[in-house]
Amino acid sequence: SQELEQSPQSLIVQEGKNLTINCTSSKTLYGLYWYKQKYGEGLIFLMMLQKGGEEKSHEKITAKLDEKKQQSSLHITASQPSHAGIYLCGAVDYTGANSKLTFGKGITLSVRP
Amino acid sequence: GAGVSQSPSNKVTEKGKDVELRCDPISGHTALYWYRQSLGQGLEFLIYFQGNSAPDKSGLPSDRFSAERTGGSVSTLTIQRTQQEDSAVYLCASSTFPRGGYTGELFFGEGSRLTVL
Repeated sequence: SQELEQSPQSLIVQEGKNLTINCTSSKTLYGLYWYKQKYGEGLIFLMMLQKGGEEKSHEKITAKLDEKKQQSSLHITASQPSHAGIYLCGAVDYTGANSKLTFGKGITLSVRP
Repeated sequence: GAGVSQSPSNKVTEKGKDVELRCDPISGHTALYWYRQSLGQGLEFLIYFQGNSAPDKSGLPSDRFSAERTGGSVSTLTIQRTQQEDSAVYLCASSTFPRGGYTGELFFGEGSRLTVL
């Protein structure tokens, strides 16, 4: 089955700083999803990447899928307290009869005002 | 409603009791997932329903866990003889199933928080 490793496990940054978090897969990624979760709340879809080299942006958040399609990075520019939360990457796992979406353990981001 | 609805939002039960958690997906979504999230952990895949295909049950942790999806819509996750380690937030998600076989964007419910005493 596909394993997703996210790094770092947690991150604390000062408001206004830039940051990058990563998601590395044990297999080629055919669809990579980034979600954000506020404590005690549901998950919010950020973006999905499919093609190697693809890059997408949503407000101050940019995600990229590398050419070899086994890693994705998510970059936040000028972080704000509203960016705090858990960032989860999910990937389509084709192991088994049906494709399904599996997730990494998440990265906890704290932004200090 | 427009989103994925889960009930109950909170459930406290005694060890050994059975519990049922309900998920009402977005109308028209053919794919439905159940995940489990323990404190500080990521999402653990449990089960996946896609249309009329046999469900992918590969993530169910034991035979005490089962799930049904009636009429391709509402799903119920049942945990029998609950144990303390079953305490977690159980999240349901639904999506369309675009051509090409990849999963469309998953829309998540708010989750059902289960506490087993």
